Amino acid sequence: EAQVTQNPRYLITVTGKKLTVTCSQNMNHEYMSWYRQDPGLGLRQIYYSMNVEVTDKGDVPEGYKVSRKEKRNFPLILESPSPNQTSLYFCASSSLKQGRRYTEAFFGQGTRLTVV
Amino acid sequence: ILNVEQSPQSLHVQEGDSTNFTCSFPSSNFYALHWYRWETAKSPEALFVMTLNGDEKKKGRISATLNTKEGYSYLYIKGSQPEDSATYLCASKVGGSQGNLIFGKGTKLSVKP
Repeated sequence: EAQVTQNPRYLITVTGKKLTVTCSQNMNHEYMSWYRQDPGLGLRQIYYSMNVEVTDKGDVPEGYKVSRKEKRNFPLILESPSPNQTSLYFCASSSLKQGRRYTEAFFGQGTRLTVV
Repeated sequence: ILNVEQSPQSLHVQEGDSTNFTCSFPSSNFYALHWYRWETAKSPEALFVMTLNGDEKKKGRISATLNTKEGYSYLYIKGSQPEDSATYLCASKVGGSQGNLIFGKGTKLSVKP
């Protein structure tokens, strides 16, 4: 089954304690992206990646890091989480192959992070 | 900076009403326009991906149109049902197949029985 898997689904942590949210896709997609969703602000892009070892900042990258060492994985790293990073996070992936213009993005189940 | 704007921000309708909302996006370097349906406590799921000016897509009671020259897309829901209650997101992709996908803030639809 084609899917994007995020872990964990729920996480409560304390300020300053490093954490990683994992994202994995099994569709051989080139493109992967992280978003955070806050009330009234829609989906805001944190980082995205066009392929292995290619990452770029989205609209709200401060306080986050990513890596893309393998095509299937795109972890989101919070080196020193703060309460303003409390949010609902989504990972998404899609194909970038030429000729596949109608390809949509597939989303993970979401990770609800609370930083106290 | 690519801005994708959606209106209205929220919409409350009665069961059976037909409704529509708008997505506007920069028309230069356009590649594709996506619509997603996002139910509470779930992940966004794709409804349509549209690329050609004048394109119309339909899925059941939901349809969408695309005007790439003026940079807008409409999503229509005919005879709204309570199960249509969700946030509807549009996203624009520019710059070719290697372009980034930028989302609007969504329109939150509530359908009262």
